[in-house]
Amino acid sequence: SSELTQDPAVSVALGQTVRITCQGDSLRSYYASWYQQKPGQAPVLVIYGKNNRPSGIPDRFSGSSSGNTASLTITGAQAEDEADYYCNSRDSSGNLVVFGGGTKLTVL
Amino acid sequence: QVQLQESGPGLVKPSQTLSLTCSVSGGSISSGGYSWSWIRQHPGKGLEWIGCIYYSGSTYYNPSLKSRVTISVDTSKNQFSLKLSSVTAADTAVYYCAREGYYGSGSPKGFDYWGQGTLVTVSS
Repeated sequence: SSELTQDPAVSVALGQTVRITCQGDSLRSYYASWYQQKPGQAPVLVIYGKNNRPSGIPDRFSGSSSGNTASLTITGAQAEDEADYYCNSRDSSGNLVVFGGGTKLTVL
Repeated sequence: QVQLQESGPGLVKPSQTLSLTCSVSGGSISSGGYSWSWIRQHPGKGLEWIGCIYYSGSTYYNPSLKSRVTISVDTSKNQFSLKLSSVTAADTAVYYCAREGYYGSGSPKGFDYWGQGTLVTVSS
């Protein structure tokens, strides 16, 4: 399968923990990466590989994976975390890039 | 610090070919361990991968666009380019170029550098 499925919208109370999930058969074979996108801006990589954060990404962002599901967890969500979040990986062939449909995170 | 910058016309007429170039600075496009992609985002919608090129010259395309897309690289200018033929209004989108790393196993390391994006409108 070449599809990655995300919940369209998730909300979290300020300071609480939220998990955003991404499902797809190819995730059994390939790591998912996660991106944060704010209005009018390019996406920013926040998690890649097993659970790696690029320089400058706060440690409240973490990633995990089990079976066909990858998860992005924000522990202690802040107002500035309100954004769209996308997962991406490869398709089952490993050659083609696929993106999830995105999850709009609202911080209440 | 690697930087990517898209350039090209912001307005393209229907049935014509959309052409964009991504200029890479702060790193060589010929470096191993990376692929160079074009990604687009329709207004208010999600990210759609268009295709990519590796330093070796190998290309891969989104099957839904494959018949209309060509991605090429000019290592002498440290640039890679996108051509999308026979455009329609449905190709109106913000177009991004981005770099993706990958592990030795082939598993992706994510798109770590992106251009700021360029809006291309298809209209007569």
